[in-house]
Amino acid sequence: NAGVMQNPRHLVRRRGQEARLRCSPMKGHSHVYWYRQLPEEGLKFMVYLQKENIIDESGMPKERFSAEFPKEGPSILRIQQVVRGDSAAYFCASSNDGQGNRGYTFGSGTRLTVV
Amino acid sequence: DAKTTQPPSMDCAEGRAANLPCNHSTISGNEYVYWYRQIHSQGPQYIIHGLKNNETNEMASLIITEDRKSSTLILPHATLRDTAVYYCIVIGGSNYKLTFGKGTLLTVNP
Repeated sequence: NAGVMQNPRHLVRRRGQEARLRCSPMKGHSHVYWYRQLPEEGLKFMVYLQKENIIDESGMPKERFSAEFPKEGPSILRIQQVVRGDSAAYFCASSNDGQGNRGYTFGSGTRLTVV
Repeated sequence: DAKTTQPPSMDCAEGRAANLPCNHSTISGNEYVYWYRQIHSQGPQYIIHGLKNNETNEMASLIITEDRKSSTLILPHATLRDTAVYYCIVIGGSNYKLTFGKGTLLTVNP
């Protein structure tokens, strides 16, 4: 009974490179949420997706960040032209409905380090 | 969603009950109280939630005061593996965004 799977666990990128973070939700879950945790800070909501749809991207930085959740395959959080300030832990959560039950299952996160 | 206030840190002896308080004085009628925890370097883990009745599951108990302005998460027999940051989150309606504050760092000592 696999939980939410995120990969890679650790990712090192040089400034200006692209970072791709993957999230496979729990089996049967069609709702995915991405959160970011900057060093010494709490988690902040970034984006909420359902299959092939972005429902709410109000927490995404306006530039360089994008997310998708295709019909087949994992959800992808993409960061273009990374900068040092993007260094953080990125967590993905999934649920089987979009409201009502907020007992989300989180993955173990991807720790992005920009050098 | 209502704002929550938690002590920044607490200590507990292994095997004893850990009682973690949370104030949410501006909570409204349709808002739930959720508890999550984050063990170092891991993703948040859902613990328990409630509306107005006390709740218990295999991990913890949640006691909500009658006026709903505060609650207490109880870990009945804390172990070293319960050392984590515990977050109290109030959320309601159709809102799906969890707002994580600074939480309470619970340290369970041997």
